[in-house]
Amino acid sequence: EVQLVESGGGLVKPGGSLRLSCAASGFTFSNAWMNWVRQASGKGLEWVGRIKSKSGGGTTDYAAPVKGRFTISRDDSKDTLYLQMNSLQTEDTAVYYCITRNFLGYPALDIWGQGTTVTVS
Amino acid sequence: DIQMTQSPSSLSASVGDRVTITCRASQDISNSLAWYQQKPGKVPNLLIYAASTLQSGVPSRFSGSGSGTDFTLTISSLQPEDVATYYCQKYDSAPLTFGGGTRVAIK
Repeated sequence: EVQLVESGGGLVKPGGSLRLSCAASGFTFSNAWMNWVRQASGKGLEWVGRIKSKSGGGTTDYAAPVKGRFTISRDDSKDTLYLQMNSLQTEDTAVYYCITRNFLGYPALDIWGQGTTVTVS
Repeated sequence: DIQMTQSPSSLSASVGDRVTITCRASQDISNSLAWYQQKPGKVPNLLIYAASTLQSGVPSRFSGSGSGTDFTLTISSLQPEDVATYYCQKYDSAPLTFGGGTRVAIK
């Protein structure tokens, strides 16, 4: 079964740091482009950033509100994605989802984790 | 960065009605657009990708159209289980921006 399981959420004070993890299973993680998306309570979906596969260049992209504060990394030997969050602000409070997808074939692959909650207060 | 504007932000329609949600990109994104459905307390579910390709398992009453800057999600006959918030998302290049969402309710 294709699965993504996030962990590492919790309560942190403004200015603090937190590292989220996302454990992948059921697919070839090393080939996957991985994304983080967040959703504040009662609000819409917000793309946070992504990391390409090493074969795709391994580069990262970030949304403007988190650029310079958040860092996405991956450990292909552990099939795990990370989101290092520094200088956290109250507006970073949200459920954070890791996602993998591939829209090049049919059916599309679009897998979301169950989310992990980050509260900055 | 390209902005994604969805309209309306909410709508209420009767069971059996045809419902249309639009998504406009501030620049050409070709057909690199996905539509998601999110029910309360649930993870988003992919409905449409490549602007008009219906994801496997999604009811055929859902359809997508458009290319370039203007896109549409249509529910041909609204059902009670379609009550949800719908989001578009561009994926041509980063940032992979979501639209603001459209909340669909039953009248």
